[in-house]
Amino acid sequence: EVQLVESGGGGVRPGGSLRLSCAASGFTFDDYGMNWVRQVPGKGLEWVAGINWNGGTTGYADSVKGRFTISRDNAKNYLHLQMNSLRAEDTAFYHCARDLVDSGSYYDGFDYWGQGSLVSVSP
Amino acid sequence: QSVLTQPPSASGTPGQRATISCSGSSSNIGSNIVNWYQQLPGTAPKLLIYTNNQRPSGVPDRFSGSKSGTSASLAISGLQSEDEAEYYCATWDDSLNVWVFGGGTKLTVL
Repeated sequence: EVQLVESGGGGVRPGGSLRLSCAASGFTFDDYGMNWVRQVPGKGLEWVAGINWNGGTTGYADSVKGRFTISRDNAKNYLHLQMNSLRAEDTAFYHCARDLVDSGSYYDGFDYWGQGSLVSVSP
Repeated sequence: QSVLTQPPSASGTPGQRATISCSGSSSNIGSNIVNWYQQLPGTAPKLLIYTNNQRPSGVPDRFSGSKSGTSASLAISGLQSEDEAEYYCATWDDSLNVWVFGGGTKLTVL
């Protein structure tokens, strides 16, 4: 059974940093690209970042480019999101999501999603 | 303001058919596949339709998707109360180099 479990969320002051992690199990992790998608409570979905199977290709939404870094540890089956210079508008649930094709890229869509980790940025 | 445009709400009575539209442009829907997601209250999104019209295993054939030009549609036939949820379309945008989502459509089964 595919499982994606996020951790590392919490409260932080504006300008602060957090590192989210996503533990993956139930599939061959390095066969798949991975993504982070966020959702402000009660609002819509926003893609944050994607990474290919070996970390050699990454992509970011303009809203987080230069502040967030996506990475992965294929030996430990973990996906990470390092978030720096956090702003109030970054407050959201952050979901990790697997690419729906085992091509290694992150361009196909998202099939499995984690339940999300809440990040709250406030003074 | 979302790159993809969906109606904020849709409704129907049990047994009826409901459709949800998703409008984009040549750089996104016009040149890439469309996926649809269902989000029940308090849960993570679930893949409902991929590659425009394919259903993952376990998704009832009451759900169907289509794409034409720069628009896509999700149709739900034989509406059931458990279909009440938020529905999102998504595709890759070649100009922005990001995944883009519609703003979501809340489906109410009256």
